[in-house]
Amino acid sequence: EADIYQTPRYLVIGTGKKITLECSQTMGHDKMYWYQQDPGMELHLIHYSYGVNSTEKGDLSSESTVSRIRTEHFPLTLESARPSHTSQYLCASSESDRMNEKLFFGSGTQLSVL
Amino acid sequence: AQKVTQAQTEISVVEKEDVTLDCVYETRDTTYYLFWYKQPPSGELVFLIRRNSFDEQNEISGRYSWNFQKSTSSFNFTITASQVVDSAVYFCALSPHGRGANNLFFGTGTRLTVIP
Repeated sequence: EADIYQTPRYLVIGTGKKITLECSQTMGHDKMYWYQQDPGMELHLIHYSYGVNSTEKGDLSSESTVSRIRTEHFPLTLESARPSHTSQYLCASSESDRMNEKLFFGSGTQLSVL
Repeated sequence: AQKVTQAQTEISVVEKEDVTLDCVYETRDTTYYLFWYKQPPSGELVFLIRRNSFDEQNEISGRYSWNFQKSTSSFNFTITASQVVDSAVYFCALSPHGRGANNLFFGTGTRLTVIP
């Protein structure tokens, strides 16, 4: 089924720390996405990529940044974490040659910034 | 503007009961796609179904069925004879035709708890 992995599963850090959330997929999908999910709220797209060296911001403004140097890898970085960044971060990918396609999700990283 | 409303925040049912999760959407597009995803406690969202706006036939897959009605802009999801494994958060989503998944609009989800 889905082969998309996120690490760490849970992360608790102090304010001001730099963090990187990892996301990797083995399905060869060109399209990858980062969503932010807060309790009782809809998923909001914060970043997406159509392929290597392609990154775009989503509809929700985020202080995080992403990179796409390899097809299978789409890490998200926060240079200086703050309590307002506390949230669930979900990575996803989709097949390259289709529109309105379904997404494959990772298990998410629950980030808590103290 | 695109919007998906899942008015039921939480639902609890006893095992073997039937349960319907409501989804109402808003869009000005004449062609669009609707989705349901399941998010179990493990965290990852799992795709359940995709329907395009021209296909109003109801769909059944095992204990799951979906009722799509354009007249009321609804895409409701029914689980028959619910089981504990159905406990999860369920998300309805909308995507305008011809757009990538970066144009996918989610509802706020319905948390279903099935009590043994």
